[in-house]
Amino acid sequence: SAVISQKPSRDICQRGTSLTIQCQVDSQVTMMFWYRQQPGQSLTLIATANQGSEATYESGFVIDKFPISRPNLTFSTLTVSNMSPEDSSIYLCSTESAGFFGYTFGSGTRLTVV
Amino acid sequence: GNSVTQMEGPVTLSEEAFLTINCTYTATGYPSLFWYVQYPGEGLQLLLKATKADDKGSNKGFEATYRKETTSFHLEKGSVQVSDSAVYFCALENQGGKLIFGQGTELSVKP
Repeated sequence: SAVISQKPSRDICQRGTSLTIQCQVDSQVTMMFWYRQQPGQSLTLIATANQGSEATYESGFVIDKFPISRPNLTFSTLTVSNMSPEDSSIYLCSTESAGFFGYTFGSGTRLTVV
Repeated sequence: GNSVTQMEGPVTLSEEAFLTINCTYTATGYPSLFWYVQYPGEGLQLLLKATKADDKGSNKGFEATYRKETTSFHLEKGSVQVSDSAVYFCALENQGGKLIFGQGTELSVKP
């Protein structure tokens, strides 16, 4: 199955600043997904990122707040912009594993906004 | 729309006890179903999956059977260990590869 390297693993940021999270996959993949896990909550899909096209955002998430890049088939970034304490969450990227064993997740980025 | 409902936690068991975590789903058609596990401070790991009705997924002593009659995918393990302490998420695959997760069930196993 695909292996995803995600960084940073955690960060503490000042409100009003932005943080970019990176995910590198060890194989070429068509779709990548970005999820948010708020404290003590389940995972919610932010957007789907396909190479060569704009990301598709879920209801409640907008590109100005969560811009996503997908420059090639092995890499994607998510930026959390103009952060507020409500953005404190774990952010995870995901992709489909070859042979459809399932969906693989990065180790997550634990973000705290102060 | 499609949804997943899990039993609320936390669930506290003694080592070697039998585990059941209930998961039911609402979906059009027969989506693939998954159980993921999240150990403290870590990301999600796929535990097992089932892609069609009556399929049984199994891994590391955990099992779950895709039951279309009861729209359920309950997770079971015959004898839990302290190392199984984690949060368990039931999920279904929605259109376009998007996963819909249940709310998660925290399991704590005491020695």
